[in-house]
Amino acid sequence: GESVGLHLPTLSVQEGDNSIINCAYSNSASDYFIWYKQESGKGPQFIIDIRSNMDKRQGQRVTVLLNKTVKHLSLQIAATQPGDSAVYFCAERGSNYKLTFGKGTLLTVNP
Amino acid sequence: EPEVTQTPSHQVTQMGQEVILRCVPISNHLYFYWYRQILGQKVEFLVSFYNNEISEKSEIFDDQFSVERPDGSNFTLKIRSTKLEDSAMYFCASSDSGVRGDTQYFGPGTRLTVL
Repeated sequence: GESVGLHLPTLSVQEGDNSIINCAYSNSASDYFIWYKQESGKGPQFIIDIRSNMDKRQGQRVTVLLNKTVKHLSLQIAATQPGDSAVYFCAERGSNYKLTFGKGTLLTVNP
Repeated sequence: EPEVTQTPSHQVTQMGQEVILRCVPISNHLYFYWYRQILGQKVEFLVSFYNNEISEKSEIFDDQFSVERPDGSNFTLKIRSTKLEDSAMYFCASSDSGVRGDTQYFGPGTRLTVL
């Protein structure tokens, strides 16, 4: 069946460092992946997405890497800032646009 | 920037009561969704809705749940007889159609507390 999971439940980094958040997925048929950021008491906020025909996509300070061979997704945040502190979820799209979310990684940025 | 809105932000109800959670998706979006998140857990898909009918629903979305698009702007989730385990954050999301239609934009959520 479908499952999306995260390697680490928590990640603590120093301000200015780069952060890497990892995610594993099991559905090889998934064709679209998204990273969401969720701050306390708020809904998931779209960060970046990637389609299965790509292996890398860059945004502003964020990069998503997709390795279909090992079914692995990662989110890289450059020069992490205190405002980046949040829970980060990866999600994969299945049939009818349904999203399956991972458990989330709590990113804490220390000043 | 257009955004998904949800009301109320917090709903407290007694077990067995009916609740209706409301959402206003981003205008001109055609795909609508409900997700829920039990405290401390991951976001779970409930239902997707397109062209005035359910496209897909999860095992969670049993006969106690229903969705409706009563007019051109609102999208509602009804729980007919709430149970304690229905306590969660409920998120509405919407997406466009076409090539750029994949991104689902989420609302701020409604916190449902069943007593």
